[in-house]
Amino acid sequence: AQSVTQPDIHITVSEGASLELRCNYSYGATPYLFWYVQSPGQGLQLLLKYFSGDTLVQGIKGFEAEFKRSQSSFNLRKPSVHWSDAAEYFCAVGVGTGNQFYFGTGTSLTVIP
Amino acid sequence: NAGVTQTPKFQVLKTGQSMTLQCAQDMNHEYMSWYRQDPGMGLRLIHYSVGAGITDQGEVPNGYNVSRSTTEDFPLRLLSAAPSQTSVYFCASSYTWGRGNTEAFFGQGTRLTVV
Repeated sequence: AQSVTQPDIHITVSEGASLELRCNYSYGATPYLFWYVQSPGQGLQLLLKYFSGDTLVQGIKGFEAEFKRSQSSFNLRKPSVHWSDAAEYFCAVGVGTGNQFYFGTGTSLTVIP
Repeated sequence: NAGVTQTPKFQVLKTGQSMTLQCAQDMNHEYMSWYRQDPGMGLRLIHYSVGAGITDQGEVPNGYNVSRSTTEDFPLRLLSAAPSQTSVYFCASSYTWGRGNTEAFFGQGTRLTVV
């Protein structure tokens, strides 16, 4: 069965510092992988996705993620965090031609000045 | 182009009542799905549909029914609401193109409280 693990429930970083959010997945086939961001009271916005090709993918708002098959990981990174990045971040794996999504439990990001 | 529209945004139900959460998309997407979001549990798939007339169960289908009579609409029905169904519900539509590229669009959510 497919599953997604986000080991960090909550992360606090200083504005301007670098960020890495961890995501590990379990899935038997080649995964479709996604990162979504959710601001309080809002829906989900797609940051980036991987489905094939280059394992380093660029997304919106300066985020990037690297797919590492050997580690079953898809970690999200940003070199310099802005206060507006404070939100909840979800990693997800897409199955069934990628249209059924299984989400991790999320990582809440706090940015301090 | 409204994307994915969910109604209502907020709802309070009494235990045992029934209701339907509405979801409509105007992007002609084949795939639609319903998720519930609970604190510390992320989003969990309730039901999904791969096209009009075709639905299937996700991770947590018990207590919920769906149907898909048109491409645009995918309502979620609670037949007899229970406090355990208090949650935020998200509808999504998605499509696949090219060599398996896919993207999903989420509605703004329905916050349901069952008392």
